[in-house]
Amino acid sequence: ETGVTQSPTHLIKTRGQQVTLRCSSQSGHNTVSWYQQALGQGPQFIFQYYREEENGRGNFPPRFSGLQFPNYSSELNVNALELDDSALYLCASSLGGTASYEQYFGPGTRLTVT
Amino acid sequence: GDSVTQMEGPVTLSEEAFLTINCTYTATGYPSLFWYVQYPGEGLQLLLKATKADDKGSNKGFEATYRKETTSFHLEKGSVQVSDSAVYFCALRTRAGGGNKLTFGTGTQLKVEL
Repeated sequence: ETGVTQSPTHLIKTRGQQVTLRCSSQSGHNTVSWYQQALGQGPQFIFQYYREEENGRGNFPPRFSGLQFPNYSSELNVNALELDDSALYLCASSLGGTASYEQYFGPGTRLTVT
Repeated sequence: GDSVTQMEGPVTLSEEAFLTINCTYTATGYPSLFWYVQYPGEGLQLLLKATKADDKGSNKGFEATYRKETTSFHLEKGSVQVSDSAVYFCALRTRAGGGNKLTFGTGTQLKVEL
């Protein structure tokens, strides 16, 4: 059984640029959640996708957007990058949308905005 | 809104010492409670969970009891090892517009020395 994978591992972007982060969910999981973890902080919920539809959103501006594909993999897009967007971005997959199944986390993508 | 408060770290202990990391929460309804662990450079791993009042979660010698009357979920281990050195996050799970999201505390770094 393949776990949650994320790519890239690290990347560096310049303020104002756009970035796309990718996540492959664990086999059999149809729900993906994205979290932002700033240095020294706990992860903050960005949004969740269930069967290709957004299924909950945290307090993040619209320049944070996402997609989920038919194979349940997902992308997180961030436009107009700001310095405060520098963080570890974590993806978690689970089975079910409204049901409370466990979330399994990937290793994360470390984004640095300069 | 929902929130989780953890004791600040770092917590430094000698090997075989007793560990307690305090966690209290604020939430509407009846959340599920979790402890996650994050080793350096890695994503989050679920350590243990409890889904209703008075439940005790346990794993790898760690325990935590869901105390509704004190809104607490303190993590304990009777004898820590150097390999337990990591950052520990307390979290609660609630519904987010139809989905479910995790709300994390800020994390407590544990350092275990020989």
